[in-house]
Amino acid sequence: AQTVTQSQPEMSVQEAETVTLSCTYDTSESDYYLFWYKQPPSRQMILVIRQEAYKQQNATENRFSVNFQKAAKSFSLKISDSQLGDAAMYFCAWGRASQGGSEKLVFGKGMKLTVNP
Amino acid sequence: GAGVSQTPSNKVTEKGKYVELRCDPISGHTALYWYRQSLGQGPEFLIYFQGTGAADDSGLPNDRFFAVRPEGSVSTLKIQRTERGDSAVYLCASSKGGYLNEQFFGPGTRLTVL
Repeated sequence: AQTVTQSQPEMSVQEAETVTLSCTYDTSESDYYLFWYKQPPSRQMILVIRQEAYKQQNATENRFSVNFQKAAKSFSLKISDSQLGDAAMYFCAWGRASQGGSEKLVFGKGMKLTVNP
Repeated sequence: GAGVSQTPSNKVTEKGKYVELRCDPISGHTALYWYRQSLGQGPEFLIYFQGTGAADDSGLPNDRFFAVRPEGSVSTLKIQRTERGDSAVYLCASSKGGYLNEQFFGPGTRLTVL
């Protein structure tokens, strides 16, 4: 079974600074995706960034980038130039990428990010 | 509609009662997923549909939980004989199906069982 671990329940960052959120996972599969989702108080999960495991290049989306270490099963999210609107719960998630299996996502417990003005 | 919608937004019920939670996916999305998020936890998979059929229902905790999607669009999650432990936010997501396609989430239904 796949597991996703987010060991830091809370973090804070000053506006305009950079913060890194950590995530580790465990899987026996070789083909998969990893995701970071953001959940503001409105409860709606929003996809921040996605990484395909077969790609060595780390994904980037504007101020968001990941550090994907496949051998170490580590997947951290870096937020640059933090903004007040980045304050939310952040969830790391794993999803299968091979045919014949479930499309379900496996989530970590989440981490609350506070952005201080 | 532009996104996934879920009704009701909040539901309060008494222990032992029956509840139905509704999910309207994005138009044209063939896959629909239900997750449950307990307080302080990440979403936990319950079931997903590809069209009208349940492709994976391995996350349903017991036989009190049941979900349908009769016409391949709207889905209803049904919980019989509710227990206080069922209190959680129930999230629905939809996608075009397949591993490459993003799951778009609704705002969830907060279920409180008294």
